[in-house]
Amino acid sequence: DADVTQTPRNRITKTGKRIMLECSQTKGHDRMYWYRQDPGLGLRLIYYSFDVKDINKGEISDGYSVSRQAQAKFSLSLESAIPNQTALYFCATSDSWDSGNTIYFGEGSWLTVV
Amino acid sequence: GQQLNQSPQSMFIQEGEDVSMNCTSSSIFNTWLWYKQDPGEGPVLLIALYKAGELTSNGRLTAQFGITRKDSFLNISASIPSDVGIYFCAPFTGTYKYIFGTGTRLKVLA
Repeated sequence: DADVTQTPRNRITKTGKRIMLECSQTKGHDRMYWYRQDPGLGLRLIYYSFDVKDINKGEISDGYSVSRQAQAKFSLSLESAIPNQTALYFCATSDSWDSGNTIYFGEGSWLTVV
Repeated sequence: GQQLNQSPQSMFIQEGEDVSMNCTSSSIFNTWLWYKQDPGEGPVLLIALYKAGELTSNGRLTAQFGITRKDSFLNISASIPSDVGIYFCAPFTGTYKYIFGTGTRLKVLA
C-alpha cells in the first residue's frame, strides 16, 4: 500500500462545482503539502501545513482551500472549479525531524474541469 | 524571487547512451534533491545531496552538488527503456520550501 494515498485518482467535474481532493498518509509525518503540476511548469505549491493547527498559503493558493483534519489527513478543495484548474494534483509529506529533508509524494489526482 | 533553470527540457536518446541534465539557480541552497516521475505516478526520490562538491551515485545515476551551492547535475549512464520519465531537481531552502525545476522529459528509444 502507498504511504501517501490520494482520492480520487481521476475526476471530471463541471465549471462552478465544488470538488474535494483527499490525502492521507501512514508515514507519521507532521508536514503535508498540496502541489499542482502543469505541463512545462513543474510543481507549484498551493498550500502547506506544518501541523494540524498550522496552515499556510503557497505560491498559487487563489481559488483553493484546505483542511488538516488530523495529522494524517489533508484535503484540498476547489470551491467553484474553473477550467484553468484542470491539472494533476499531488499531495506530499515530509518530516520536520528528517535531517535528509526528503519530501514524499502521493500518486496524483487528475482533475479535469469542463 | 528564486530563479531555477533546469535543462534540457526534453531529451530523446538511444538505449545505451549516457544522459546529462542540470539545474542552475541564482540562489544558494543547502540541499539538492533529484526526483523521477514515471508516467501516471508521483515523483520518487532518486538522489539527495547535502554538501557543496558532493558527488553521489545510485546505481547508474550520479549526481553532484555544485561547489557554489547554486547548481547540480544528474547523469544517467547506459540508459535503458525504463529510464523514461520526467526528472526534477528540487533544492531545499532550509524552511518549508522545496523549489522544483520545470523538469527534463526523457524518452529512450530502443
